Amino acid sequence: AQSVTQLGSHVSVSEGALVLLRCNYSSSVPPYLFWYVQYPNQGLQLLLKYTSAATLVKGINGFEAEFKKSETSFHLTKPSAHMSDAAEYFCAVRGGTNWDDKIIFGKGTRLHILP
Amino acid sequence: DTEVTQTPKHLVMGMTNKKSLKCEQHMGHRAMYWYKQKAKKPPELMFVYSYEKLSINESVPSRFSPECPNSSLLNLHLHALQPEDSALYLCASSQAGEKFFGPGTRLTVL
Repeated sequence: AQSVTQLGSHVSVSEGALVLLRCNYSSSVPPYLFWYVQYPNQGLQLLLKYTSAATLVKGINGFEAEFKKSETSFHLTKPSAHMSDAAEYFCAVRGGTNWDDKIIFGKGTRLHILP
Repeated sequence: DTEVTQTPKHLVMGMTNKKSLKCEQHMGHRAMYWYKQKAKKPPELMFVYSYEKLSINESVPSRFSPECPNSSLLNLHLHALQPEDSALYLCASSQAGEKFFGPGTRLTVL
């Protein structure tokens, strides 16, 4: 079965500092992995996805993530945090090998940006 | 058009009311989903429609009744809900594995 674990339910970084949000996955098949962001009182927006092509994936808003099979990790990074990055971030894995399989979410990490 | 729309944005209903949530997408996606999200929790899958047929029901109580009238529309009919059903209800669609989420309907059951 597929699952993801997000380390740290809350992460605080200073504005301009590096953002690192951690995600480890477990999958019995080659995984499709995603990072979503949710701003307060809004739906989910896809930041980036890994679908077995390049291991370094670039997304929107300056975020990127690196797929590391040896570490079963898919950590999200951004070189310089901005106040507008404050939000809830969800790592997710596709639940199977079919294109319409459900997405399984991690518990989420709340990112706080300190002025 | 690359978005999923949901109406209404907010809904307040009593436990004896019948209401419906609506989701629409015009991206030609053939899979549509309903998720429920409680405060400070990740979304949880409720239903999956693939090619307009219900393919997954995650043991959701019968007071929630999904309907997919056509490939662009997905409804969630609500009847005799409980206060614990208050949550953000998210609709999503997908075609090639990537899920596009709508903004959600914030439901409050009194």
